[in-house]
Amino acid sequence: GESVGLHLPTLSVQEGDNSIINCAYSNSASDYFIWYKQESGKGPQFIIDIRSNMDKRQGQRVTVLLNKTVKHLSLQIAATQPGDSAVYFCAENLGGADGLTFGKGTHLIIQP
Amino acid sequence: GAVVSQHPSRVICKSGTSVKIECRSLDFQATTMFWYRQFPKQSLMLMATSNEGSKATYEQGVEKDKFLINHASLTLSTLTVTSAHPEDSSFYICSASRQGNTEAFFGQGTRLTVV
Repeated sequence: GESVGLHLPTLSVQEGDNSIINCAYSNSASDYFIWYKQESGKGPQFIIDIRSNMDKRQGQRVTVLLNKTVKHLSLQIAATQPGDSAVYFCAENLGGADGLTFGKGTHLIIQP
Repeated sequence: GAVVSQHPSRVICKSGTSVKIECRSLDFQATTMFWYRQFPKQSLMLMATSNEGSKATYEQGVEKDKFLINHASLTLSTLTVTSAHPEDSSFYICSASRQGNTEAFFGQGTRLTVV
């Protein structure tokens, strides 16, 4: 079936730098996209979401960009901190009361 | 945000036994809950959709007789892994959404180890 994928399994950035995590999705019918952060041994933590009628959404230190033309989703984290170290997953669904399809995950490593 | 609680957080069981995992929405009612499985260094995979008062909907490849789901109330869904085997060892995570809302809130997960 169709699924959401990621470009890089590991991303290493210097503390204080900005990081960009990418995600490619294949289901053009997807209407709702979410980024989650997962720390070791814990459940996913909601970061930010975006609907298909938008191309950008900003939160605190995070921005999600959606490019429907190329089916690409990205998460930008500004001024990364040690606490940002985690695995980040994108997820998508059709916008209704459906379960989520998760991407493979990117392990973000913050170097001092 | 809404709180979803899972219990137990960790469980070790012997092969052939059954294990029940609970998922509770603590401060909201959830007509639908979802169960995911996550193997080490892999992503979450949706196993089934738990519907209050009706049968669960299982994803392709997930054995409904092995992973029994009961959603008896608007705040509780249970997943029972029956006749567990070592290959069932995994991280099981539930999520719940408020009625009419697409945002999913996740539990803290249950680490199952079958020995």
